[in-house]
Amino acid sequence: GQSFEQPSEVTAVEGAIVQINCTYQTSGFYGLSWYQQHDGGAPTFLSYNGLDGLEETGRFSSFLSRSDSYGYLLLQELQMKDSASYFCAWESSNTGKLIFGQGTTLQVKP
Amino acid sequence: DAGVTQSPTHLIKTRGQQVTLRCSPKSGHDTVSWYQQALGQGPQFIFQYYEEEERQRGNFPDRFSGHQFPNYSSELNVNALLLGDSALYLCASVGQGEYEQYFGPGTRLTVT
Repeated sequence: GQSFEQPSEVTAVEGAIVQINCTYQTSGFYGLSWYQQHDGGAPTFLSYNGLDGLEETGRFSSFLSRSDSYGYLLLQELQMKDSASYFCAWESSNTGKLIFGQGTTLQVKP
Repeated sequence: DAGVTQSPTHLIKTRGQQVTLRCSPKSGHDTVSWYQQALGQGPQFIFQYYEEEERQRGNFPDRFSGHQFPNYSSELNVNALLLGDSALYLCASVGQGEYEQYFGPGTRLTVT
């Protein structure tokens, strides 16, 4: 089977840096993705890690350690519009089947 | 370039009824996946279609079925609706060899 652990809620202030962790137990591993979802909206892709290390995309970075079954999403220079739910999602193969975690609700305060 | 589109936006059905949801993938994408998202939860994988065949399936009963057409659009059918089927149904498409999945806006299904 598989399981994920993400914090359920995180609060931070505008301009700050926040890290959202994701630990997983899975059978087989191909890659870890991060998606953002605003209330009532569609999930949108943020980042992908297929190999260990850091991937940087603008204000967002994602890190993966396969040996530790651990990843994180780092959001820098937080803006109010970053208030949303953030999901880590695992793939066991390259067929595009995503298994999502429960999500972390990020609230950015002025 | 149109992204993933879904119809209808909202739907209200009664227990025991049947429903069909529709999805058109992003241009150039040939693989379509369907997800169910209950309130406050992460999306759960229902199944995936590629080349008009069901390629993978999640832990959903046979009441959930689908179809993919030659133009890559897809339908999700749910029979004998239960109250617990109330959720946001998301369609996602991806191109060959890509890992970024594009999600549609979803269909909000309410079963009363």
